[in-house]
Amino acid sequence: DIQMTQSPSSVSASVGDRVTITCRASQGIDTWLAWYQQKPGKAPKLLIYTVSSFQSGVPSRFSGSGSGTDFALTISSLQPEDFATYYCQQSYRFPYTFGQGTKLEIK
Amino acid sequence: EVHLVESGGGLVQPGGSLRLSCVASGLTLSDYAMNWVRQAPGKGLEWLSYISSSGGTIYYADSVKGRFTISRDNAANSLYLQMNSLRGEDTAVYYCARDPSTTTNLDRPGAFDPWGQGTLVTVSS
Repeated sequence: DIQMTQSPSSVSASVGDRVTITCRASQGIDTWLAWYQQKPGKAPKLLIYTVSSFQSGVPSRFSGSGSGTDFALTISSLQPEDFATYYCQQSYRFPYTFGQGTKLEIK
Repeated sequence: EVHLVESGGGLVQPGGSLRLSCVASGLTLSDYAMNWVRQAPGKGLEWLSYISSSGGTIYYADSVKGRFTISRDNAANSLYLQMNSLRGEDTAVYYCARDPSTTTNLDRPGAFDPWGQGTLVTVSS
C-alpha cells in the first residue's frame, strides 16, 4: 500500500499568515494527489485535485504543488474560515490512502 | 445541485450487521464510480471501498475485506455498504463519495466530490 505522510500534524498560525502543509508518498504517484478541507462535524470538501487544479469556488489563496512523491498545499494569506483540518489523498493505486491530517489552528 | 445522503447507521453489537445506503440526487449515479470512506471518532479519513459505474470492478481496504460488501442499484440511484462481523474498531462516521470523472468526461480524476453528510455507526455491547 502507498503510505501518505503529512507534516506537520498540527500548526498554529494567525490570520494573514502564509502556511504550507506537506504530503509525502511512499512511492511515486504521478499527479494523482488531491487535498481536502474538513471542518468539525462536517464532511470533507475537495479543494485541489491532480496536484494543482482548483475545485470550483476555491479561493486563489490556496495552491497545490509537487510531483512524484513530494507535494504541498499552501495558503498564501490565512483567513478565519481556513482554520480546519486538511488531508491529502492518493488515487494512483488501490487501496486509495489519505494522509493522517494536518490541523490548522488559530494562534 | 448534486447531493448524496447516507442512512442506515446506528448502534450494533459486536459481531452484528448493518447495511448503509447512499442515495444520490441531482445526478445519474450510473455514470459514476463511487466510494465509501470512514472516520473514527477524533481520527483521520480511511478509504474503505470503490465500485465502478457498472459495478463490474470493486476494491476494498484490507481492514474490511471479507466483512464488508459494496453494491449499487443504478435504477434506484443508490449505493450500499453491507457490513458484517462488526467490531469495535468499525465505530466511525461513514461517508459515501463520488468520483466525478466518467468514461467520457475526465472531470477531476481520482478526486472525491461530493461527499455525503455521513452516518454514524457505533459498535458496542
